[in-house]
Amino acid sequence: GDSVTQMEGPVTLSEEAFLTINCTYTATGYPSLFWYVQYPGEGLQLLLKATKADDKGSNKGFEATYRKETTSFHLEKGSVQVSDSAVYFCALSDTSNQFYFGTGTSLTVIP
Amino acid sequence: KAGVTQTPRYLIKTRGQQVTLSCSPISGHRSVSWYQQTPGQGLQFLFEYFSETQRNKGNFPGRFSGRQFSNSRSEMNVSTLELGDSALYLCASSLAPGYNQPQHFGDGTRLSIL
Repeated sequence: GDSVTQMEGPVTLSEEAFLTINCTYTATGYPSLFWYVQYPGEGLQLLLKATKADDKGSNKGFEATYRKETTSFHLEKGSVQVSDSAVYFCALSDTSNQFYFGTGTSLTVIP
Repeated sequence: KAGVTQTPRYLIKTRGQQVTLSCSPISGHRSVSWYQQTPGQGLQFLFEYFSETQRNKGNFPGRFSGRQFSNSRSEMNVSTLELGDSALYLCASSLAPGYNQPQHFGDGTRLSIL
């Protein structure tokens, strides 16, 4: 079945460091791919999405490119801030509209 | 535009009881999905409703059920509660079923079973 494998955390970075959170997927067909962010005590918020191969999703300085050849959707940010501290989830939606989420990667950014 | 609203935010129950959680989707959204989030299992899909019909169901026992009303509001019910049902229950809505439709989440209901 479809699945998402996400980089284990937790990740701790200094402010202004470069961030990469790896995400790979297994799916039949051509899923849509998403990154969500969850702040403490809140639900998940959509961060960015890509719906076809080679699409780049971007938002708030975060980027991820849909790589079909490597079945990956890695999240990157060039310079993280303390306010980026949260849990990040990679997800896919297959053609039956069922969502599959990774296990989440906790990010802590220290000043 | 109001987001997804889940009530109550917190709930404490004892084993054997039943519970009903409520979700009001974003105005105009007709698809509602429910998830269980726990530290050990992460986010697990419970079910999805569209036009008052269950379209998809995850791998949960029959004690977990849901429904959707004509105004797209949804409820989920858990009967005969077990300690392992302690979790954050998240509701998400989208305009309609569609694999490129992002889901918009509420802040969840934190259910604790004593």
